[in-house]
Amino acid sequence: SQELEQSPQSLIVQEGKNLTINCTSSKTLYGLYWYKQKYGEGLIFLMMLQKGGEEKSHEKITAKLDEKKQQSSLHITASQPSHAGIYLCGGYSGGGADGLTFGKGTHLIIQP
Amino acid sequence: DVKVTQSSRYLVKRTGEKVFLECVQDMDHENMFWYRQDPGLGLRLIYFSYDVKMKEKGDIPEGYSVSREKKERFSLILESASTNQTSMYLCASSKGTGGQPQHFGDGTRLSIL
Repeated sequence: SQELEQSPQSLIVQEGKNLTINCTSSKTLYGLYWYKQKYGEGLIFLMMLQKGGEEKSHEKITAKLDEKKQQSSLHITASQPSHAGIYLCGGYSGGGADGLTFGKGTHLIIQP
Repeated sequence: DVKVTQSSRYLVKRTGEKVFLECVQDMDHENMFWYRQDPGLGLRLIYFSYDVKMKEKGDIPEGYSVSREKKERFSLILESASTNQTSMYLCASSKGTGGQPQHFGDGTRLSIL
């Protein structure tokens, strides 16, 4: 079965600094999804990547998918307190009904 | 925007009770999902449905059942609640096939005493 490994598990970053979160799949992905979760709440969809080498940006967050479609990175530029939360990657490697496998998440804390 | 609504944010029930968690989506999505989220274990898929009256087991279906009588509504049922079912439950929906992104509700934090 597919597994997604996220690193780091937790990250403490000073406000204004850049940071990167990584997600590695044991299988080639048809789709890679990044979500953000505030503590105790639901997941908010950030971005979807489907093509090898694809890169997408939304405000100060950029996500990339490698050419082999097994590794993705999420990069935040000039971090702000609003970026704090849990970031999860979800992967789709085919099969029925779009079932996703999720990484265990990266807890991001922004220090003022 | 897609709206997925879960009926309760917080719920406290007793061991042995039958518990219903309701989820409604307003975007005419074909697929609906129920996950539970636990510290250190991440999100785990309980059941999903790709059409009305259709259901498929996920990774951890034991102790749960589901019902999808209408396209917009997907219910999770704990037949006889146990303390190890205390968790955060998340409902999601997605459109069609081909790996479309899932959209999540706000979650229900369920405590079984």
